[in-house]
Amino acid sequence: KQEVTQIPAALSVPEGENLVLNCSFTDSAIYNLQWFRQDPGKGLTSLLLIQSSQREQTSGRLNASLDKSSGRSTLYIAASQPGDSATYLCAVRIGFQKLVFGTGTRLLVSP
Amino acid sequence: SAVISQKPSRDICQRGTSLTIQCQVDSQVTMMFWYRQQPGQSLTLIATANQGSEATYESGFVIDKFPISRPNLTFSTLTVSNMSPEDSSIYLCSVEGQDRLTEAFFGQGTRLTVV
Repeated sequence: KQEVTQIPAALSVPEGENLVLNCSFTDSAIYNLQWFRQDPGKGLTSLLLIQSSQREQTSGRLNASLDKSSGRSTLYIAASQPGDSATYLCAVRIGFQKLVFGTGTRLLVSP
Repeated sequence: SAVISQKPSRDICQRGTSLTIQCQVDSQVTMMFWYRQQPGQSLTLIATANQGSEATYESGFVIDKFPISRPNLTFSTLTVSNMSPEDSSIYLCSVEGQDRLTEAFFGQGTRLTVV
């Protein structure tokens, strides 16, 4: 059974810092991995999608990497801002359109 | 990308009653998905809804408790039946493309509190 773990569970940083969020999965047989952000009590906003054949994807201040063989992905956020405060979720696609979600990292960026 | 509208955004319901959540997509999609997010937890897939066929439920979820309709390619409903406080969660609908390589998009969620 695929399990997805995110470390740390919570992170608090001052504005301007660069930070890294981690996502680990137990079964490397994935089709792709997607990072989402979730604001409190709200739905999910897609940030980045990495296919299993790719090593990284970039969007603005966000960069996501994927090492399928070791079962790891990282989300790098450059020059963090208070507006980045949210919960970040990773999800791996393990079968026909089935996503398995991680436990999430709650990020707080202080002004 | 797809724009997904979910209604209601939140509700407080009495135990024993039912609530129907609506999900409207701005484009035609083959597959729609319903997830539950219990307080402090990550997302769990409830069922997959295909237009023109019965929904496929994940282990631990049954049609009598979570009936789903999918009348056309842009709309679906999820009903939470005979609610108890344990049903208090965020319920989210999601859409994806037909192949397994595409991005998943989510609605803004329905925050349900059962009292």
